[in-house]
Amino acid sequence: QQPVQSPQAVILREGEDAVINCSSSKALYSVHWYRQKHGEAPVFLMILLKGGEQKGHEKISASFNEKKQQSSLYLTASQLSYSGTYFCGTETGANSKLTFGKGITLSVRP
Amino acid sequence: DAGITQSPRHKVTETGTPVTLRCHQTENHRYMYWYRQDPGHGLRLIHYSYGVKDTDKGEVSDGYSVSRSKTEDFLLTLESATSSQTSVYFCAISGQGADSPLHFGNGTRLTVT
Repeated sequence: QQPVQSPQAVILREGEDAVINCSSSKALYSVHWYRQKHGEAPVFLMILLKGGEQKGHEKISASFNEKKQQSSLYLTASQLSYSGTYFCGTETGANSKLTFGKGITLSVRP
Repeated sequence: DAGITQSPRHKVTETGTPVTLRCHQTENHRYMYWYRQDPGHGLRLIHYSYGVKDTDKGEVSDGYSVSRSKTEDFLLTLESATSSQTSVYFCAISGQGADSPLHFGNGTRLTVT
C-alpha cells in the first residue's frame, strides 16, 4: 500500500528549515528518501532501517518512528539546490519491494 | 553515478504497436526494476528482476512483459501499446539487501497516440 506523504507542497526561503513526512498503514522494515529535480531521474538521499541504522546524505537528517510507522526528513538551512520533488519509499519486509509515495514538491526561493 | 543507460530516451508510437524499452547497466547489480511515473501517482513498480531469467510482477504489470537474458540488460515490452501507457519510464538497479539504494536511469518518455 502506498505511503502517504505530507504536506503536499512546501515553499520556503533560502536558509529556512523544513520537515516532510511519510507515513504507512503497515509495519515498516525500511524507509528510503529520494529527490527528483524537474526532468531528471530520482536521486538517492537516505535509507532508514528498522532498528535505527541510517545511511545516506551527510547534510540531510531523518528519523524513523517504527511504532508509528512514520519517517520525517529534516532539511535545515535550505539552499536553492534543495528544490525538487521528494519521494519516500517503504518496504514492509526484508524481501519486499519499495512502494513509493506520491511525492512532495519543495521550492526554495532566494 | 551508477552506470545505467536507458534507450530510447524519447519515443512516440501509435496505439496497437509493440514497443520495447531497454535498460543496460555496467554495475553488475543483481536487482533491476522498471517503474512508470505519472502526475499524481508518483513512481509505480511495473516489473522487477532478481537475476538472469528471474522476474516478477509489480503493482501495475498489466499490459507489460519483461525479459532478462543477461545480467546487464533488462527489457520492458508493451505488446500492444495503449494511450494509458503514455508515461515516463524509469529503470533502476540495486544491490542485494534492504540497505541498498536504488539508482535510476535517466528515463524514457513514451507517448502513445
